[in-house]
Amino acid sequence: ETGVTQSPTHLIKTRGQQVTLRCSSQSGHNTVSWYQQALGQGPQFIFQYYREEENGRGNFPPRFSGLQFPNYSSELNVNALELDDSALYLCASSLKEGELFFGEGSRLTVL
Amino acid sequence: GQNIDQPTEMTATEGAIVQINCTYQTSGFNGLFWYQQHAGEAPTFLSYNVLDGLEEKGRFSSFLSRSKGYSYLLLKELQMKDSASYLCAVRDKRGRRALTFGSGTRLQVQP
Repeated sequence: ETGVTQSPTHLIKTRGQQVTLRCSSQSGHNTVSWYQQALGQGPQFIFQYYREEENGRGNFPPRFSGLQFPNYSSELNVNALELDDSALYLCASSLKEGELFFGEGSRLTVL
Repeated sequence: GQNIDQPTEMTATEGAIVQINCTYQTSGFNGLFWYQQHAGEAPTFLSYNVLDGLEEKGRFSSFLSRSKGYSYLLLKELQMKDSASYLCAVRDKRGRRALTFGSGTRLQVQP
């Protein structure tokens, strides 16, 4: 059984660019959530996907969007990058009401 | 909305016991989680409480009082590897499985 994997692990972008982050959920987990974690802070909920549909969203603007695929893997897209988007982006998968299993994250730096 | 408070930093001695407190306010409670996060790594699940009382798991225990909006994580026989951030998170009843995290408590274990 493989855990949650994310790619890329690190990336650098400039303001105004777009980025796509990818996540493969743990085997059998049909729910994927994305979190943004700024340095020294706890993870902040961005949105969640269940069976390919968004079923919950935090206080993030529409330029944060996502997808979930039939194999339950997921993408997070961020358009028009801003300096404050620099953070660790964590993907977590879960099954029903269970605990979240986090990937190692993608560290995004916006210059 | 939800609000979670936990101390920013704590220091303890190897072999000792430390208690990390967490208070929360939520519009509907559906479980409290504790996660451990080492610097530069993903959060890992420690414990889950949904009913009042103490849950024990090896050196780690977690307590919940729903009426007081209060939880604590108790770490016994501290080891140097326990130096990490400890994140308190609550899940509400809004139908999604997302968690709202506190900012985390950075624990430093000293020899």
